[in-house]
Amino acid sequence: DGGITQSPKYLFRKEGQNVTLSCEQNLNHDAMYWYRQDPGQGLRLIYYSQIVNDFQKGDIAEGYSVSREKKESFPLTVTSAQKNPTAFYLCASRQRGVSSGANVLTFGAGSRLTVL
Amino acid sequence: GQNIDQPTEMTATEGAIVQINCTYQTSGFNGLFWYQQHAGEAPTFLSYNVLDGLEEKGRFSSFLSRSKGYSYLLLKELQMKDSASYLCAPNTNAGKSTFGDGTTLTVKP
Repeated sequence: DGGITQSPKYLFRKEGQNVTLSCEQNLNHDAMYWYRQDPGQGLRLIYYSQIVNDFQKGDIAEGYSVSREKKESFPLTVTSAQKNPTAFYLCASRQRGVSSGANVLTFGAGSRLTVL
Repeated sequence: GQNIDQPTEMTATEGAIVQINCTYQTSGFNGLFWYQQHAGEAPTFLSYNVLDGLEEKGRFSSFLSRSKGYSYLLLKELQMKDSASYLCAPNTNAGKSTFGDGTTLTVKP
C-alpha cells in the first residue's frame, strides 16, 4: 500500500543535541512538507519542497534544516538552535498538478519529540 | 503571507447541524481545503473547493466565496465520532500550504 512513513514515532532528546526525523513516501508525489503542531494549536509550516534538490522555508524555519536528495525522502533535522523543540511533527506530501485531487495532502502518522 | 481565522471551539449536540466558519486572506489563492484531525492523529482530507458555491459529500458540505475570502464547513446529523479539530487550509499557486489554528468541535449526547 502507498503511503508516508515517519520515524521514529516517539523521540526523546537532551538539550543541545541535534535530531533527525525521517519521512519516506512511496506515492510518487513531487511535493513534500514538514509541519509542527503544539498542543491545542494548528499546523505551522516549517519547510516544503516541490521538486528534488529544492526546498523553501515555511513560516517557522529557524532552528530546522531539511534536504531533498531523493524524491521519496524529506528528512527534517531539529538543531540545537531550536529553542523549544518539544512538539508533534507531521510530514505530508502531494502530487503537483492542476486537478483538484492532485492537491490533497497525505500525512504521515507523525513523530512526537520531547526534549528532556 | 496568509491570514486564516476560525473559531477556537464549538459545542453541539448529537444529531444536530453545526457550521464552522473560516475567513482567509492570501495571495495566489487556488482553492481551499478542510481537514479533520482527531486528537493525537494526523489530519485527514474532508473537502476541497476551488469554485464559488457548495460542495456536498454525505453528511459534510463545504462552501466557498472567493470574493469574500470566506468558507464554511457544514456537518449534519452529528455523531459522537465527529468530535475532532477541523482545519481550514487555503491553497496557493506557489505550492505553499498553510493551516488555520483549527476549530475544536465537541459533540455532546
